[in-house]
Amino acid sequence: GIQVEQSPPDLILQEGANSTLRCNFSDSVNNLQWFHQNPWGQLINLFYIPSGTKQNGRLSATTVATERYSLLYISSSQTTDSGVYFCAALKAAGNKLTFGGGTRVLVKP
Amino acid sequence: NAGVTQTPKFRVLKTGQSMTLLCAQDMNHEYMYWYRQDPGMGLRLIHYSVGEGTTAKGEVPDGYNVSRLKKQNFLLGLESAAPSQTSVYFCASSGATGGYTGNTIYFGEGSWLTVV
Repeated sequence: GIQVEQSPPDLILQEGANSTLRCNFSDSVNNLQWFHQNPWGQLINLFYIPSGTKQNGRLSATTVATERYSLLYISSSQTTDSGVYFCAALKAAGNKLTFGGGTRVLVKP
Repeated sequence: NAGVTQTPKFRVLKTGQSMTLLCAQDMNHEYMYWYRQDPGMGLRLIHYSVGEGTTAKGEVPDGYNVSRLKKQNFLLGLESAAPSQTSVYFCASSGATGGYTGNTIYFGEGSWLTVV
């Protein structure tokens, strides 16, 4: 199956800082999503982004499908951004979304 | 707008007991999934369904069974619970997989299961 790797595993930020999270995947994909899991365990879909760039407020994501990676940008981080960020990928002709191990983010006030 | 609803949210089982987790979605989605998340780890797929009456194995299916008798419901069963099945279980649904725009996957809020 497809392998999904995220980096860094942990990230500590001062409130207001910017950061970039990376997701590498081992095969061609036609579905790539980013999720945020808040400290209460709730999983929220951030982006559906198999290719290209999208922005939603302070968050944006870019997927370069030909080079098999996706980036999630957090700008002007806030304490509410804390939690774990997961990317998940579905390879072409597949039907099982595979999750990476996540990046644990802590934003300090 | 309920989305994906899981019941129960919390449960403590004794080793060897059986139980069923129920997942219901009101978005008329074809695809439904059961994942487990162990502490500090990502989600691993247990079983999934691509439509009413179908089920398929994911990464970690052993010790679990599933059924999709109605399109809106996906049941996860533990026939004889073991301490290794202590985990948080997430149900999810999506309209379809494959190269269709907007096939976001939606998650339920999780079910915390402890087996003692």
